[in-house]
Amino acid sequence: ELKVEQNPLFLSMQEGKNYTIYCNYSTTSDRLYWYRQDPGKSLESLFVLLSNGAVKQEGRLMASLDTKARLSTLHITAAVHDLSATYFCAVDIWDGNKLVFGAGTILRVKS
Amino acid sequence: DAGVIQSPRHEVTEMGQEVTLRCKPISGHDYLFWYRQTMMRGLELLIYFNNNVPIDDSGMPEDRFSAKMPNASFSTLKIQPSEPRDSAVYFCASLSLRDKGRGVGYTFGSGTRLTVV
Repeated sequence: ELKVEQNPLFLSMQEGKNYTIYCNYSTTSDRLYWYRQDPGKSLESLFVLLSNGAVKQEGRLMASLDTKARLSTLHITAAVHDLSATYFCAVDIWDGNKLVFGAGTILRVKS
Repeated sequence: DAGVIQSPRHEVTEMGQEVTLRCKPISGHDYLFWYRQTMMRGLELLIYFNNNVPIDDSGMPEDRFSAKMPNASFSTLKIQPSEPRDSAVYFCASLSLRDKGRGVGYTFGSGTRLTVV
């Protein structure tokens, strides 16, 4: 059974600081997704990582995937308050089409 | 494209009543998923369909839950009878296998917040 673990589960950051959220998964997969969720809202797709070594960047967020280590990271650079949200990673099962989600990381950026 | 459309946005019902949640996937998408989100259990996959056929319903909590997809543009999730522990946000998502190969992810609807009192 595929398990997805995120850490930390809660992250309180000062504006301007850098930090990384980690996502580990338990079985073979080469597709990893990062989503953002604002309170009371739906899940917004941030990144789709399709292969080993994939790196994608959008603004202050950068995501990477190491399929050999079964690890993805979401790096936040110079955090701003608008980044406050819950961030989920999710993994496809190897030979199927369904997402298994991590528990989510609640990010709070303080002024 | 209007995205994945769910209705109602909010539903408050009394224990024992039947509840029906609705979802319209993105046109042309061949997969449809129902997820439930709670504080305690996070995002759980309940059931998913491929070309209107249920593929995996192992996440459906019990017989009180049922889901149908009578055509490519509509799906329902029914709870009968509802219980307070069913209170959660229910999300529908859809996926195009062709788009997935191009790096487009699963698209989620706005969700239905269900409260059973």
